[in-house]
Amino acid sequence: EAQVTQNPRYLITVTGKKLTVTCSQNMNHEYMSWYRQDPGLGLRQIYYSMNVEVTDKGDVPEGYKVSRKEKRNFPLILESPSPNQTSLYFCASSWQGNYGYTFGSGTRLTVV
Amino acid sequence: RKEVEQDPGPFNVPEGATVAFNCTYSNSASQSFFWYRQDCRKEPKLLMSVYSSGNEDGRFTAQLNRASQYISLLIRDSKLSDSATYLCVGRGSARQLTFGSGTQLTVLP
Repeated sequence: EAQVTQNPRYLITVTGKKLTVTCSQNMNHEYMSWYRQDPGLGLRQIYYSMNVEVTDKGDVPEGYKVSRKEKRNFPLILESPSPNQTSLYFCASSWQGNYGYTFGSGTRLTVV
Repeated sequence: RKEVEQDPGPFNVPEGATVAFNCTYSNSASQSFFWYRQDCRKEPKLLMSVYSSGNEDGRFTAQLNRASQYISLLIRDSKLSDSATYLCVGRGSARQLTFGSGTQLTVLP
């Protein structure tokens, strides 16, 4: 089944404890992206990648890192999480060009 | 001004009704448009792409008007299962994928 898989689905952590949210897609998509969704603010792009070793900042990159060492994986790293990073996170992928994104099931992160 | 603007609703309609959502965009460089559906606490799912010539998928019809910079979605014969938030999305490039804030629809029995 074609899909984007994120893990974990739920995570509660403490301020400052490094964490990684994994994202993997099995559709051989070039483009991958991370979004966060907050009430009243909608979906905002954190980082995106157009291919292996090609990444760039989205609208809200502060406090996040990403890497794209393999085409299928695009992990999101929070080196020192803070409470304002409590949010619902989505990974998404697509073909290049004018195609829509396929989203993962989301990761609900709470930083206390 | 937001790049993609939608009426947040909520729209409460009876089962069987026809409902229309509109969305306006400000970035004329946007090349392609989509409607996504998002159920509560779930991931957005692609409902349909939007073409200038208009396109239909069953009970759903999408339209793009580039001159006026708006996109529309029409749902005919609403079902209870159509209750969700509908997101209008514009895409200019890999980076420039812009989401509207969503329109909430509730179909009532």
